Amino acid sequence: QSVLTQPPSVSGAPGQRVTISCTGSTSNIGAGYDVHWYQQLPGTAPKLLIYGNNNRPSGVPDRFSGSKSGTSASLAITGLQAGDEADYHCQSYDSSLSGSRVFGGGTKLTVL
Amino acid sequence: QVQLQELGPGLVRPSETLSLTCTVSGGPVISGESYWTWLRQPPGKGLEWIGNIYYGGSTNYNPSLKSRVTISVDTSRNQFSLTLSSLFAADTAVYYCARDWTRGGSCFDHWGQGTLVTVSS
Repeated sequence: QSVLTQPPSVSGAPGQRVTISCTGSTSNIGAGYDVHWYQQLPGTAPKLLIYGNNNRPSGVPDRFSGSKSGTSASLAITGLQAGDEADYHCQSYDSSLSGSRVFGGGTKLTVL
Repeated sequence: QVQLQELGPGLVRPSETLSLTCTVSGGPVISGESYWTWLRQPPGKGLEWIGNIYYGGSTNYNPSLKSRVTISVDTSRNQFSLTLSSLFAADTAVYYCARDWTRGGSCFDHWGQGTLVTVSS
């Protein structure tokens, strides 16, 4: 049981926009802690996609964006491409768990 | 560019202790903006944070694993290590080392490639 809740799967056609939600509580996202997103292509290590709620590391296309409101956060992907098919993970910090960094269960994005 | 590389056994027997080492290159572990971190991912499942260490030696551990985990750092070798005792089959996972970048709000901006550890007799 993950501390943060993500849908197990989402899908979209090439060119479309999809969003992935990440729901937490008042001890993590709702307490103001940053949310980060990772992309994990099949058989590879996760890669930082969005940090600090809505910042992209160098090299990440602006098709990827993040937002946060209350106890939830979202990742949006526009202009969907076949190469975006991957698992996406959200992560934050939880003050009730002794300095723990916490994750969602991951969302599998399928490009139709 | 910081790079990390995990090293350890692929197979460990139940009840034994796992030892993994992560070698950091391209930057020092003595860094005021980094916590050096271990994570894992059971097959087909999500990511789990195990714990981290600051170069000075202070540590934070996942409460669910705290009784079995020790993380240490060797600044002279630019490495940090994980030991996990009393292994169960449920500890079978890909184990990753990563950098927790504090200036980025504690995100993991650099990862090792991961090493699969199987707990089986």
